[in-house]
Amino acid sequence: DTGVSQDPRHKITKRGQNVTFRCDPISEHNRLYWYRQTLGQGPEFLTYFQNEAQLEKSRLLSDRFSAERPKGSFSTLEIQRTEQGDSAMYLCASSLSGFTSGRSSYEQYFGPGTRLTVT
Amino acid sequence: AQKVTQAQTEISVVEKEDVTLDCVYETRDTTYYLFWYKQPPSGELVFLIRRNSFDEQNEISGRYSWNFQKSTSSFNFTITASQVVDSAVYFCALSGPLIGTASKLTFGTGTRLQVTL
Repeated sequence: DTGVSQDPRHKITKRGQNVTFRCDPISEHNRLYWYRQTLGQGPEFLTYFQNEAQLEKSRLLSDRFSAERPKGSFSTLEIQRTEQGDSAMYLCASSLSGFTSGRSSYEQYFGPGTRLTVT
Repeated sequence: AQKVTQAQTEISVVEKEDVTLDCVYETRDTTYYLFWYKQPPSGELVFLIRRNSFDEQNEISGRYSWNFQKSTSSFNFTITASQVVDSAVYFCALSGPLIGTASKLTFGTGTRLQVTL
């Protein structure tokens, strides 16, 4: 029984570089969310996918950020021209909108996160 | 707009003490859901409970219990006979109806619980 996985777990990059993170949700989950968590704060919503469709983007997601979920499976989050203010933990979560045996529906299950440090 | 307030930044207790973590929320939705998550030092958020706005029954799960009071917009979490393994940051979260984009979570700032021997 695999949970949500994220890769890489840690990323150190220099300001101005582009970075891409990957999230693999729980296999049958049709919903996928990205959140960002800075030190001492709770996670903040960034964007949401229902299958392959990106249905909402937070105002926190500037034009430098782009997310995709091709074929409704894994998702990628890319940050272009990184800034020091982008340093944070990027969390991915998935959920199922419906009923299935073995797992509760609708609850968001989180991955371990990708910690980004921009120097 | 939705808002979750966890006024307690940090709580320290001695093992076996009972501890209550407070959560107050604001929402205009008539149907909404409340959650608690645990974030241990490893960093991964662990789901603990989900309650909907129409169910004010208190819930108990082992040493954990939750008190939902709509009248005061609160959803408090009590750990009975705390243990060192309970040390973590606990987040209260709120969502609208679990339909589409309303399902996104709004988190509080978290309460760090430190349980010592």
